[in-house]
Amino acid sequence: GAGVSQSPRYKVAKRGQDVALRCDPISGHVSLFWYQQALGQGPEFLTYFQNEAQLDKSGLPSDRFFAERPEGSVSTLKIQRTQQEDSAVYLCASSLDEGRAPLHFGNGTRLTVT
Amino acid sequence: AQKVTQAQTEISVVEKEDVTLDCVYETRDTTYYLFWYKQPPSGELVFLIRRNSFDEQNEISGRYSWNFQKSTSSFNFTITASQVVDSAVYFCALSEKDTGRRALTFGSGTRLQVQP
Repeated sequence: GAGVSQSPRYKVAKRGQDVALRCDPISGHVSLFWYQQALGQGPEFLTYFQNEAQLDKSGLPSDRFFAERPEGSVSTLKIQRTQQEDSAVYLCASSLDEGRAPLHFGNGTRLTVT
Repeated sequence: AQKVTQAQTEISVVEKEDVTLDCVYETRDTTYYLFWYKQPPSGELVFLIRRNSFDEQNEISGRYSWNFQKSTSSFNFTITASQVVDSAVYFCALSEKDTGRRALTFGSGTRLQVQP
């Protein structure tokens, strides 16, 4: 079956622009996570959804970051007024249960802010 | 607070050599999960193993083996008879259960290069 799909694969934004990153999890997966991975670093947690409920957003670095999953499937990570330090790969992952099962990751969206 | 340390930034070996990737973790929880993920150049993290903190049995899967030692807070990963296809960045990660959080804390990764 299809894996986790993220789009776009690459995004270049000028500083100050808003961006929206999309994640299509594996069908039927309850949990969805967003992680941010800077160059040469491990992924860092941003936020977690269980179905449509955002249960943990403690990793969002500022109020410019917003995530939603309105129908419990597709999720969108929005970054407003992008800054250069937002440049990173944004990874989406889903899992079958309430987040303890192994995560299935997408290929990520590489965001470059110029 | 939880922390995962992968002290080896990069390792280079020749094909067929054995290689061990180190992982040391810190947590206050008594119940937690440890993971290893592989990230090939394509970028997608691939799950390799999950270990519950109450299960200290070592595990072997083909050329891969894992050594979990609670006494030293380590969860090391060994690849036997390495192959070029093993070249990737490997991440160790921790998930705490007592707190109810679902987030994984990742180490900074070890880049493994296997030369032919």
